[in-house]
Amino acid sequence: KNEVEQSPQNLTAQEGEFITINCSYSVGISALHWLQQHPGGGIVSLFMLSSGKKKHGRLIATINIQEKHSSLHITASHPRDSAVYICAARYNTDKLIFGTGTRLQVFP
Amino acid sequence: GAGVSQTPSNKVTEKGKYVELRCDPISGHTALYWYRQSLGQGPEFLIYFQGTGAADDSGLPNDRFFAVRPEGSVSTLKIQRTERGDSAVYLCASSPKGLAGGGGNEQFFGPGTRLTVL
Repeated sequence: KNEVEQSPQNLTAQEGEFITINCSYSVGISALHWLQQHPGGGIVSLFMLSSGKKKHGRLIATINIQEKHSSLHITASHPRDSAVYICAARYNTDKLIFGTGTRLQVFP
Repeated sequence: GAGVSQTPSNKVTEKGKYVELRCDPISGHTALYWYRQSLGQGPEFLIYFQGTGAADDSGLPNDRFFAVRPEGSVSTLKIQRTERGDSAVYLCASSPKGLAGGGGNEQFFGPGTRLTVL
């Protein structure tokens, strides 16, 4: 059983909509990463967080340690946000355990 | 500055052959990670190097897989007697310090090598 679960698996939105992607993990972690993967495979790190909330431009990531849950929000979504968004949990050994990803498509 | 690079970008081989995949991390990064991503799945951890030594190789699926990092920079992932199930994108990432240096660092990913075993 994967220790990191994401939902939804697929998400479509109209340009301008507010988007939320959820991630839950099964045991205690040291940090939670959000990554973006574009067609062709390139992965970019968006956030690394262990508590609270981080914001970068239109992207916001939150984590609730007690609930073992994190969310990635995109405000005023744009077609260029279309990508696969992956959450990954960092455990004590420093390796990342990845979720299966959420495929987001934003239409104009 | 240069990011993480991987060569080749694509590799097609026949079942039973030996392949080597190369990763050049960002200069000065002491931690290096190999992951494998099958179609429609998230990446899965294979092995992590801190300097020249493998700090965690628990993700290597079997003894056909081996990785080295002899000088603490470039790493090579070696797969013997390839099988069709080995077909995937092999991703490499590096980070400045890794756990031994305090951990918690962002990982920078390469573009991956797409391996196809016929």
